Amino acid sequence: RKEVEQDPGPFNVPEGATVAFNCTYSNSASQSFFWYRQDCRKEPKLLMSVYSSGNEDGRFTAQLNRASQYISLLIRDSKLSDSATYLCVVDTGGFKTIFGAGTRLFVKA
Amino acid sequence: DADVTQTPRNRITKTGKRIMLECSQTKGHDRMYWYRQDPGLGLRLIYYSFDVKDINKGEISDGYSVSRQAQAKFSLSLESAIPNQTALYFCATSDRRAQETQYFGPGTRLLVL
Repeated sequence: RKEVEQDPGPFNVPEGATVAFNCTYSNSASQSFFWYRQDCRKEPKLLMSVYSSGNEDGRFTAQLNRASQYISLLIRDSKLSDSATYLCVVDTGGFKTIFGAGTRLFVKA
Repeated sequence: DADVTQTPRNRITKTGKRIMLECSQTKGHDRMYWYRQDPGLGLRLIYYSFDVKDINKGEISDGYSVSRQAQAKFSLSLESAIPNQTALYFCATSDRRAQETQYFGPGTRLLVL
């Protein structure tokens, strides 16, 4: 089993749709969680950190469920510019950061 | 100007050749990393360095070596390149005070023939 698993997609959604991605992690001692965004052929960039209480940044909401060991990312009112690959990232502590393989999102007009 | 730069951006080489990828950063971060990205596998850590005198192997260090010449520079070498080292390579930096958020360079596309 991979330490961090994501549905690779692709998710194809129309503009304005709400879409959600999940990510599961295997190490229950994991301490920090993030979502990164990667555009085609570009470097990953931090989208948002994920806090235990959940957090929101505009149209983006991140949730953490420690009991079930998963994190989620919800995108509301999808824009064409949201088309990208979304990487789930888990810091297990001990200086070990694990990147998921990513979920591809295509938003179409 | 970009905070994390990588050179070269693209490189084609032959099996058995030695190649060096370079990374520089102006963010003042003490931690630097080298990753490779392959389709469907995500980013995998090759080496990381928490300061100039600290070098650590990552998940897939075999066939690679690194040098931390200064706080701002971290180089990755392939001593004898092989075709399965064809990949997209990223350098990243982080500040230990910032919850390990990592900042990536633009990447180097390497093709080993």
